[in-house]
Amino acid sequence: DTEVTQTPKHLVMGMTNKKSLKCEQHMGHRAMYWYKQKAKKPPELMFVYSYEKLSINESVPSRFSPECPNSSLLNLHLHALQPEDSALYLCASSRTGDNEKLFFGSGTQLSVL
Amino acid sequence: GESVGLHLPTLSVQEGDNSIINCAYSNSASDYFIWYKQESGKGPQFIIDIRSNMDKRQGQRVTVLLNKTVKHLSLQIAATQPGDSAVYFCAENQKGAQKLVFGQGTRLTINP
Repeated sequence: DTEVTQTPKHLVMGMTNKKSLKCEQHMGHRAMYWYKQKAKKPPELMFVYSYEKLSINESVPSRFSPECPNSSLLNLHLHALQPEDSALYLCASSRTGDNEKLFFGSGTQLSVL
Repeated sequence: GESVGLHLPTLSVQEGDNSIINCAYSNSASDYFIWYKQESGKGPQFIIDIRSNMDKRQGQRVTVLLNKTVKHLSLQIAATQPGDSAVYFCAENQKGAQKLVFGQGTRLTINP
């Protein structure tokens, strides 16, 4: 199994809603990542979990809250988002937290109304 | 500062021809590089990687070349097929750094 699975694939939410994005991998990888990608732009790193501990927060606003319940799961909790937060949110994993051979999921396309 | 840039934002080639996608980087501390392919509606897909102690690495129909002297990375795709149409990103990992830095991407279009 070489997949990173993300749900949902599409999400539309209002600025007062609370929602969560989910990511799962069963490759035994110990590092998991959240990236944000705007249209026609490269992915931008948001968070890194290494061995289930948050190791990097790229100065992401607190309306985005990551959670890593175990080594296979990664969540991103969303609250009080702004329309400019609309983007493709990508989850990735790698064997260790050394940024080598990241495997990406297909992403969640988020629209904030 | 660090940057990973691409010489061409778009590239169109005929089916069956070879494609070369270029990438420039400015940080000599980078010691690992990756090429990703991203199709519409999908996440980036790992293609090939190379470490700074190598100057060439081959995969299936793809070759990555690294020229550390001029800080240049390229991806060669042989005998391009319609399924090769996508945006291609290079990414670099600086030794001791904590994140990959992605280039801006090149859109490759294969003409029949």
